[in-house]
Amino acid sequence: GAVVSQHPSWVICKSGTSVKIECRSLDFQATTMFWYRQFPKQSLMLMATSNEGSKATYEQGVEKDKFLINHASLTLSTLTVTSAHPEDSSFYICSAPQREGVQYFGPGTRLTVL
Amino acid sequence: KQEVTQIPAALSVPEGENLVLNCSFTDSAIYNLQWFRQDPGKGLTSLLLIQSSQREQTSGRLNASLDKSSGRSTLYIAASQPGDSATYLCAVSLGGYGNKLVFGAGTILRVKS
Repeated sequence: GAVVSQHPSWVICKSGTSVKIECRSLDFQATTMFWYRQFPKQSLMLMATSNEGSKATYEQGVEKDKFLINHASLTLSTLTVTSAHPEDSSFYICSAPQREGVQYFGPGTRLTVL
Repeated sequence: KQEVTQIPAALSVPEGENLVLNCSFTDSAIYNLQWFRQDPGKGLTSLLLIQSSQREQTSGRLNASLDKSSGRSTLYIAASQPGDSATYLCAVSLGGYGNKLVFGAGTILRVKS
């Protein structure tokens, strides 16, 4: 099946720093990717839709200036958490659709902000 | 606005039991429905995908059904094993390629040996 990777798998940073998370589709191209956030013991919350060649579409309540998304190529989307604070600590997961209605998920990135 | 609900929130069963996980959605205009498995601290693994025109899908000990008109899906796990312990998530797609998924809160399953 299709493979989506994320890097890093975990990161610890100090409050006020920025952290970049990469999401790659390894064996297929994706003009759209999705970024989710998951709090402990809760479901996935869609943050934004990353669009290759255009601006990302953010869900209501998600700060676009804090969570910068760049879809640099047909196989790479990045999420940058700017000026991270402890409340940004979470599990971030990306997904990419390979064909109609079928999405493949990355393994997730655990962010801890001290 | 599409909302997805999963019942029960948690389930603990002895090994070998057959079990059913439930998923309901408020808007029947879905493109498809997927069941995922998530192990602690890990990403999602797709288990079964049911297109809106289909009634059920089977993979090994797993069987998922879809009743679009009533807004319900069930995931049936036969002869449960401790390795089945995980969180099971149901998600509906609102359209084809590039359309987002709406997730339920999940059912935490524990199979005791």
